[in-house]
Amino acid sequence: GAVVSQHPSWVICKSGTSVKIECRSLDFQATTMFWYRQFPKQSLMLMATSNEGSKATYEQGVEKDKFLINHASLTLSTLTVTSAHPEDSSFYICSARGGADSNQPQHFGDGTRLSIL
Amino acid sequence: DQQVKQNSPSLSVQEGRISILNCDYTNSMFDYFLWYKKYPAEGPTFLISISSIKDKNEDGRFTVFLNKSAKHLSLHIVPSQPGDSAVYFCAATPMWFGNEKLTFGTGTRLTIIP
Repeated sequence: GAVVSQHPSWVICKSGTSVKIECRSLDFQATTMFWYRQFPKQSLMLMATSNEGSKATYEQGVEKDKFLINHASLTLSTLTVTSAHPEDSSFYICSARGGADSNQPQHFGDGTRLSIL
Repeated sequence: DQQVKQNSPSLSVQEGRISILNCDYTNSMFDYFLWYKKYPAEGPTFLISISSIKDKNEDGRFTVFLNKSAKHLSLHIVPSQPGDSAVYFCAATPMWFGNEKLTFGTGTRLTIIP
């Protein structure tokens, strides 16, 4: 089945640091990847849609200068949390749709737990 | 505004019995629905989906039912097994080309009692 790998799985860093999270589709090409954020006991909230070779589409209320997304290849998207602060601490999850067929479900990475001290 | 709702935050079911997880939605533009299973510290795993042109989809022990008029879907797991203990999220999307934005419910924690 479609495998999505996310790295790192856990990050602890100081306030003001920028953190990069990678999302890779291991056995398929993903023209579109998605970045979600989950707060404790809440649902996954879509942050942005990442399109290979073009700018990401951000959801309302998500700061694009704060959360930089790059989708440079068909198998890799990165999310950089710039100048992270404690309120950015959360669980970040990426997903990718396995193929061009719009009926393909999204497959998720295992997430990255970000803790900003 | 929570467009996808899972009103039961938790559910306990005896092993071997049927587990029924419910999900309601409010956006009539949603026409494709998915169920995901999530273990702690892992990403969601796709379980089963259904398009609005169907009212039932079955895959092994998992069956999803869709009632469009009631804007309600349910996931049935039978028989329930201990490994089914996890958080289950329903998700919905309008499936016109190029738009697969998933809107998730808040999840239901299913515990299977041995």
